[in-house]
Amino acid sequence: EAQVTQNPRYLITVTGKKLTVTCSQNMNHEYMSWYRQDPGLGLRQIYYSMNVEVTDKGDVPEGYKVSRKEKRNFPLILESPSPNQTSLYFCASSLLAGPIGTQYFGPGTRLLVL
Amino acid sequence: QKEVEQDPGPLSVPEGAIVSLNCTYSNSAFQYFMWYRQYSRKGPELLMYTYSSGNKEDGRFTAQVDKSSKYISLFIRDSQPSDSATYLCAMSAPAGNNRKLIWGLGTSLGVNP
Repeated sequence: EAQVTQNPRYLITVTGKKLTVTCSQNMNHEYMSWYRQDPGLGLRQIYYSMNVEVTDKGDVPEGYKVSRKEKRNFPLILESPSPNQTSLYFCASSLLAGPIGTQYFGPGTRLLVL
Repeated sequence: QKEVEQDPGPLSVPEGAIVSLNCTYSNSAFQYFMWYRQYSRKGPELLMYTYSSGNKEDGRFTAQVDKSSKYISLFIRDSQPSDSATYLCAMSAPAGNNRKLIWGLGTSLGVNP
């Protein structure tokens, strides 16, 4: 089954404790992206990647890091989480040759930073 | 002013009703227009995709784009309780390789049996 998976689905942590949210897709997509979704602010792009070793900032990259060492994986790293990073996070992927806008989303990771 | 405006609702309709969901936008460079559906505690999934102006129909769903008015719509005919979800509009311009989407905030729809 074609899918984007994220782990963990739910996470409670404390300020300053480094964490990684994993994202993996099995569709051989070149493009991958991380979003956060907050009430009243909608979906905002954090980082995106056009292919292996090619990443760039989205609209809200502060406090986040990403890496793309393999085509299928695109982990999101919070080196020192803060309460304002409490949010719902989505990973998405798509083919570069596919129609712009057709992205496949993971199930989401709900993060609470205390 | 946001680039994309979407009334968050909530919108509540009886089963079988025709539903109209709308977004307005300000950037005339947008060429790609999408509607995503997001069920509670799930990721968004692509529902309808339209390039430039015109209508597109898929079963009970019709997407319309009016570029002259900078206005897009999603119509749902014979609405079902399973259509209860948040509907997000998204748009993109062709420039560059970012494939960046500009999102509306989403409209929450409830269809009552």
